[in-house]
Amino acid sequence: GNSVTQMEGPVTLSEEAFLTINCTYTATGYPSLFWYVQYPGEGLQLLLKATKADDKGSNKGFEATYRKETTSFHLEKGSVQVSDSAVYFCALSDTIGNEKLTFGTGTRLTIIP
Amino acid sequence: ETGVTQTPRHLVMGMTNKKSLKCEQHLGHNAMYWYKQSAKKPLELMFVYNFKEQTENNSVPSRFSPECPNSSHLFLHLHTLQPEDSALYLCASSQGGLAGGSDTQYFGPGTRLTVL
Repeated sequence: GNSVTQMEGPVTLSEEAFLTINCTYTATGYPSLFWYVQYPGEGLQLLLKATKADDKGSNKGFEATYRKETTSFHLEKGSVQVSDSAVYFCALSDTIGNEKLTFGTGTRLTIIP
Repeated sequence: ETGVTQTPRHLVMGMTNKKSLKCEQHLGHNAMYWYKQSAKKPLELMFVYNFKEQTENNSVPSRFSPECPNSSHLFLHLHTLQPEDSALYLCASSQGGLAGGSDTQYFGPGTRLTVL
C-alpha cells in the first residue's frame, strides 16, 4: 500500500536559516505529491504540489521537487521566518481515480527570532 | 463566507451524549471528506463522499455516522463516544468526480472534540 515517511520533528531553526524537511514515499503507480501546512489552531492549507516526475512545486518561498528515482519530495526554503512556524505534512494521492490522500506524521517547525 | 467552514470549533461531550459536527464548503466541489487528527499519528481518513454518495468508509466504528445531504454540506453524527475519540476532526472538499489523484483537497479549520 501507499505510505509517506517524514523526518521526525520537532525542528528548531533561527530566522533566515536554510530549511529542509525530508519526505520519502512508497506508492503504486504515479502518485501526485503534496505539502500541506497547519498553523496553530487552524486546519491544513495546501502549500505546494507536484503531479509528475521532475515537477517542482513552489509557493511562499518554499520549493519541493518530485524525484521519482529516489521516491522523494523534500521541502526546502532558503531563508525561514518566524511566521513559518507550523506543522508541515507531506502527502500523496494515487492518480488512478483514487481520492484518498496518504499523509506523513507531520514535522513541527519552530523558528526562533 | 469562503472556503470550507466547520462548526462548532470546540466541543466537549460526555460518553452518553449525542452531538453533530457540521461542515460546509463554498467552493462548488463535489467531493467531501472527514479526517481524524490525533496527537503523534498521521491524519486518518474516515469517510469520503463523491456527488453525495459515500465512496469510502475506512473501517470507522458505527458510533460515528456521516451524512451528506448535498454536495455543499457534510455532517458527522456522534453518539456514545469513548475518551480515545478525543481529537481534531477535519473536513475537506475537492473537485471530485474524474479529477483523479491530482485533485487538491481544501481543509476546514477543524472541530476540537473532547470526550469526557
